[in-house]
Amino acid sequence: DQQVKQNSPSLSVQEGRISILNCDYTNSMFDYFLWYKKYPAEGPTFLISISSIKDKNEDGRFTVFLNKSAKHLSLHIVPSQPGDSAVYFCAASVGPGTYKYIFGTGTRLKVLA
Amino acid sequence: DGGITQSPKYLFRKEGQNVTLSCEQNLNHDAMYWYRQDPGQGLRLIYYSQIVNDFQKGDIAEGYSVSREKKESFPLTVTSAQKNPTAFYLCASSEGLAGTYEQYFGPGTRLTVT
Repeated sequence: DQQVKQNSPSLSVQEGRISILNCDYTNSMFDYFLWYKKYPAEGPTFLISISSIKDKNEDGRFTVFLNKSAKHLSLHIVPSQPGDSAVYFCAASVGPGTYKYIFGTGTRLKVLA
Repeated sequence: DGGITQSPKYLFRKEGQNVTLSCEQNLNHDAMYWYRQDPGQGLRLIYYSQIVNDFQKGDIAEGYSVSREKKESFPLTVTSAQKNPTAFYLCASSEGLAGTYEQYFGPGTRLTVT
């Protein structure tokens, strides 16, 4: 049972436009969410996180939105750059004191120059 | 320069052999993790350790073993009991209860068993 789902395996966007990557979850106990970026043959790197007490968190070109009622979060990248081309994973965990993160299957973003 | 190192980057083994993957961190993190990534799948948790001399099974621990004798080291042994050992293995660490939730990942080891 996939508790964290990224239903779009791939996404192509023109350079300078907005990239929107989506993530859905089923466990209402999740209260902390993270986005990671991964290049081929490398480990993921942390991008941005959001706690369930917020509905938006912004860091430069990256903004994460959380809709708790819909159990949905999204990562917006504006403006998209060719260097953003990578696989993006969302991950979720249940509150303080837990060490288990559930990862989605990833979305491959390709930013076209 | 703090970080997580995994060695080797590529590893080849014959079926039936045990193999140990190395993971070292100098971030002074309490928690360490092992994940496996297969094509088209997310990262699946194999084992994690919250503190030295303690570790817990993740979702796919069968056929794997770990040890946590030192804070900075968390080696993973892929045993001959693991039915599909060929995969990309990622080690990660986090501050744990005392700090932030973000996990920092190593560069990974690609294991091929033939």
